[in-house]
Amino acid sequence: AQSVTQPDIHITVSEGASLELRCNYSYGATPYLFWYVQSPGQGLQLLLKYFSGDTLVQGIKGFEAEFKRSQSSFNLRKPSVHWSDAAEYFCAVRRSNDYKLSFGAGTTVTVRA
Amino acid sequence: DGGITQSPKYLFRKEGQNVTLSCEQNLNHDAMYWYRQDPGQGLRLIYYSQIVNDFQKGDIAEGYSVSREKKESFPLTVTSAQKNPTAFYLCASSYSGANVLTFGAGSRLTVL
Repeated sequence: AQSVTQPDIHITVSEGASLELRCNYSYGATPYLFWYVQSPGQGLQLLLKYFSGDTLVQGIKGFEAEFKRSQSSFNLRKPSVHWSDAAEYFCAVRRSNDYKLSFGAGTTVTVRA
Repeated sequence: DGGITQSPKYLFRKEGQNVTLSCEQNLNHDAMYWYRQDPGQGLRLIYYSQIVNDFQKGDIAEGYSVSREKKESFPLTVTSAQKNPTAFYLCASSYSGANVLTFGAGSRLTVL
């Protein structure tokens, strides 16, 4: 079985500061990796994805993520956060031969002025 | 604009009642999914359907039922057998074999 771990339940960051959200997965082969963002009471929006190739991927809203096979990690980063980045962020993993998308428990980001 | 419409957005139910959550998509996607979201637990897959008239159980299918009579529609029924139905329910869809899911805005079910 595959699992996804987001070690940080809640992160508070100052506006303009950098942000890094951690994600680790357990799966034998390289899976498909995703980051989604959810505003309160809303659905999920895809920020970025990794299937293969360049391990540093760029997404929307200025986010990027880096796949590190040796660490089974896919951490999300943003150099300078905006107040509008306050939301819940989910890492998700999918095996290449499966329809099932497994989600981490999420990390809530609070942005202070 | 294409998208996924979930209704109702909020629903209250008495214990022992069945309720049906609607999910409609106009993205021409083949596959549709239902997820349940609880605080601190992320999203868990209830059911998914890759084609019309076919669907598979996810991780937490007990107490739920679905149908897929039309490509555009994938309603979820929360039955009285579901022991703890209060949650936020999310519907999603994708092209068959594709990896990216598009999500609806969700339906919040509260059992009184």
